[in-house]
Amino acid sequence: DAGVTQSPTHLIKTRGQQVTLRCSPKSGHDTVSWYQQALGQGPQFIFQYYEEEERQRGNFPDRFSGHQFPNYSSELNVNALLLGDSALYLCASSFKSGNEQFFGPGTRLTVL
Amino acid sequence: QKEVEQDPGPLSVPEGAIVSLNCTYSNSAFQYFMWYRQYSRKGPELLMYTYSSGNKEDGRFTAQVDKSSKYISLFIRDSQPSDSATYLCAMSPLTRYKLSFGAGTTVTVRA
Repeated sequence: DAGVTQSPTHLIKTRGQQVTLRCSPKSGHDTVSWYQQALGQGPQFIFQYYEEEERQRGNFPDRFSGHQFPNYSSELNVNALLLGDSALYLCASSFKSGNEQFFGPGTRLTVL
Repeated sequence: QKEVEQDPGPLSVPEGAIVSLNCTYSNSAFQYFMWYRQYSRKGPELLMYTYSSGNKEDGRFTAQVDKSSKYISLFIRDSQPSDSATYLCAMSPLTRYKLSFGAGTTVTVRA
């Protein structure tokens, strides 16, 4: 049973650029959540997608946007990158009614 | 004040010792409590999942929740060097699905 997968593993961008991160949920899961984890900190909730709609959003600016596809996979887009956006971006999947969230390995984004 | 407080450690124990980890929280709406283990440069792995107050045991791991004190704990018995990782507590309210995390406690088990 494949777990949550994310791509790419690592990414280096410069300030002002745009980036797209991808996530495929665990088999049978239909809800995808995105988190940002700065070094030495716990993950911070960005937003959650279910049925191709953003269901809940954390305290992140509009530069952070997302999308969910009919096959439940998801993308996270970040525009106008800032140095402070450097972090590990984690995708987690779950069932609609489940609070158990299973995380992928993450994408490490470095903004220079 | 952060919604979830967790002592970042680091915590160093000899192999075979009991590891005790804890978190406190301020939001009384939290109903679901989780502990994740995160190895260096990896994604968090779900260890324990509990609902409301009480204890839950799974192998060498025991999770305790005391909602009256807004305090949760994780105990690891017979600790092994492979238990060396960062342990994150997480929680969410009954009707919402956003997880609120602590900052994580780094644990090293010495062989």
